[in-house]
Amino acid sequence: DQQVKQNSPSLSVQEGRISILNCDYTNSMFDYFLWYKKYPAEGPTFLISISSIKDKNEDGRFTVFLNKSAKHLSLHIVPSQPGDSAVYFCAASGRNSGGSNYKLTFGKGTLLTVNP
Amino acid sequence: ETGVTQTPRHLVMGMTNKKSLKCEQHLGHNAMYWYKQSAKKPLELMFVYNFKEQTENNSVPSRFSPECPNSSHLFLHLHTLQPEDSALYLCASSQDPTGTQYFGPGTRLLVL
Repeated sequence: DQQVKQNSPSLSVQEGRISILNCDYTNSMFDYFLWYKKYPAEGPTFLISISSIKDKNEDGRFTVFLNKSAKHLSLHIVPSQPGDSAVYFCAASGRNSGGSNYKLTFGKGTLLTVNP
Repeated sequence: ETGVTQTPRHLVMGMTNKKSLKCEQHLGHNAMYWYKQSAKKPLELMFVYNFKEQTENNSVPSRFSPECPNSSHLFLHLHTLQPEDSALYLCASSQDPTGTQYFGPGTRLLVL
């Protein structure tokens, strides 16, 4: 059973507009959430994160929103640029049972295409 | 060299071969990870090492054997793999197991 879900496999947006990527999770023990961006033939690159004690974190054009009651987070990119075209992965971590490690659980990713 | 590097970038092997994947991190991190990404599936954690000690084995078959000689290097030894093991194998590191993970470029593996 997938604990982190990205229900949209792809998203297409016009340059200059806002891109909104969504992610839902089921495990209430998750307390830290991350977004990674991946270009073809490269590894995922860390983009932005948010702790469960916050509901918003902003870094330049990227903002992540967390709605704990809905177990939902979203990544907003504004304005979108063609170079933002990539696969975006949502990831969540939380203390695993009986241990001290924080496992990262990933979603399947959303392919964002920003059209010029 | 900076960040996390992985070699080789591409590997084709037969089911009877033995090969090794190498990962090196230049970030001074203490935790290292192996992930597998198959087509249309999320990244799957395979192994976690913290200060050279294995702290997580996510029910990985024994045909995958990790080795962590020091905090900067991580290997994944492969033997008698199956075609379904074909995937992108990603290495990552973090300051500690709670920290943000930084990934290498991956090794694209094809098992024939």
